[in-house]
Amino acid sequence: DAGVIQSPRHEVTEMGQEVTLRCKPISGHDYLFWYRQTMMRGLELLIYFNNNVPIDDSGMPEDRFSAKMPNASFSTLKIQPSEPRDSAVYFCASSLRGGGYEQYFGPGTRLTVT
Amino acid sequence: KQEVTQIPAALSVPEGENLVLNCSFTDSAIYNLQWFRQDPGKGLTSLLLIQSSQREQTSGRLNASLDKSSGRSTLYIAASQPGDSATYLCAVFTGTASKLTFGTGTRLQVTL
Repeated sequence: DAGVIQSPRHEVTEMGQEVTLRCKPISGHDYLFWYRQTMMRGLELLIYFNNNVPIDDSGMPEDRFSAKMPNASFSTLKIQPSEPRDSAVYFCASSLRGGGYEQYFGPGTRLTVT
Repeated sequence: KQEVTQIPAALSVPEGENLVLNCSFTDSAIYNLQWFRQDPGKGLTSLLLIQSSQREQTSGRLNASLDKSSGRSTLYIAASQPGDSATYLCAVFTGTASKLTFGTGTRLQVTL
């Protein structure tokens, strides 16, 4: 398996633009997670899905952020409109099951909003 | 709210030295604890996972211990090598929710 795949790897955009980050989890994994990593706040869970259904989005910072999982092999995280404080590395991870199963992380998308 | 702290924040050691990284958490009602490695510009790689009922896990030169009652875990790296240079993160899985809470990380540099 290729592991968790994320695209793009790097994204530079101007404030106010819409940004869409993409993730393909490992085949057969039931859980998908979106994290954000910054120097100030470390790694934070934004939202996670179980069988394509959002379970907990309490980590989503505000309404400008939205996430979808239309099928078992694809998820998006969208920021609209983007702001400079959204600059961070966004990671997608997947796990076979919930309840503490090992999570496998993608390489991340480095987002810079100018 | 679970909080995870790692000490030290950064560590530099000469090659061949044995070292210990520390992780502490405030809520001892954890399901498991995981240690990850993160190389610059890369994602996280899982190193070891310790279930709450276990005391330690070993993989090669790595040994992780867990003392749930005191809210502590250590990652022991034997005979360190320059290739071990990376940031090491611990994360605890709390309760029935599928959530990991990450520590602040320890940046390790192993010098020749």
